[in-house]
Amino acid sequence: EAQVTQNPRYLITVTGKKLTVTCSQNMNHEYMSWYRQDPGLGLRQIYYSMNVEVTDKGDVPEGYKVSRKEKRNFPLILESPSPNQTSLYFCASRKGFTYNEQFFGPGTRLTVL
Amino acid sequence: QKEVEQNSGPLSVPEGAIASLNCTYSDRGSQSFFWYRQYSGKSPELIMSIYSNGDKEDGRFTAQLNKASQYVSLLIRDSQPSDSATYLCAVKGPNQAGTALIFGKGTTLSVSS
Repeated sequence: EAQVTQNPRYLITVTGKKLTVTCSQNMNHEYMSWYRQDPGLGLRQIYYSMNVEVTDKGDVPEGYKVSRKEKRNFPLILESPSPNQTSLYFCASRKGFTYNEQFFGPGTRLTVL
Repeated sequence: QKEVEQNSGPLSVPEGAIASLNCTYSDRGSQSFFWYRQYSGKSPELIMSIYSNGDKEDGRFTAQLNKASQYVSLLIRDSQPSDSATYLCAVKGPNQAGTALIFGKGTTLSVSS
């Protein structure tokens, strides 16, 4: 089954404690993205990757890091989380840059105390 | 700042009626337009894409695009309670790598039986 998986699905942490949210896809897609979704602000892209070792900033990259060492994995790293990073995070993947077949993961709800 | 505007709703329609969801965008260079459906607590799911002016039909869904007026709409015919969800309009700029998908904040649709 074609899918995007994320782990963990729920996470409560404290300010400053480094964390990683994993994302994996089994569709051999080149493009992967991380979004955050906040009430009243909608979905905003944090980072995206066009292929292995190729990443770039989206609209709201501050406080986040990513890596793309393998085609299937695209982890999101928060090195020093702060309460304003409390949000619902989605990983997504697509075959090309045209977005006509973009698949989202199930989401990770992060709370930073 | 590229913007995508949607009426947040809620839009309430009775079962069997036509639901009309609207979206306007600010970037005249936008080339690709998408509608996503998001059930509460779930990830967005692509339901329609449209690239040229006019109508595109897929089952009970019709997407309409008017680039001159910079609006895109989604019609849902014979609305069902299972259509109750938040509908996200998303717009992409010129067809090149690295162009982000800009999401509207979404319109909540409620279909009553």
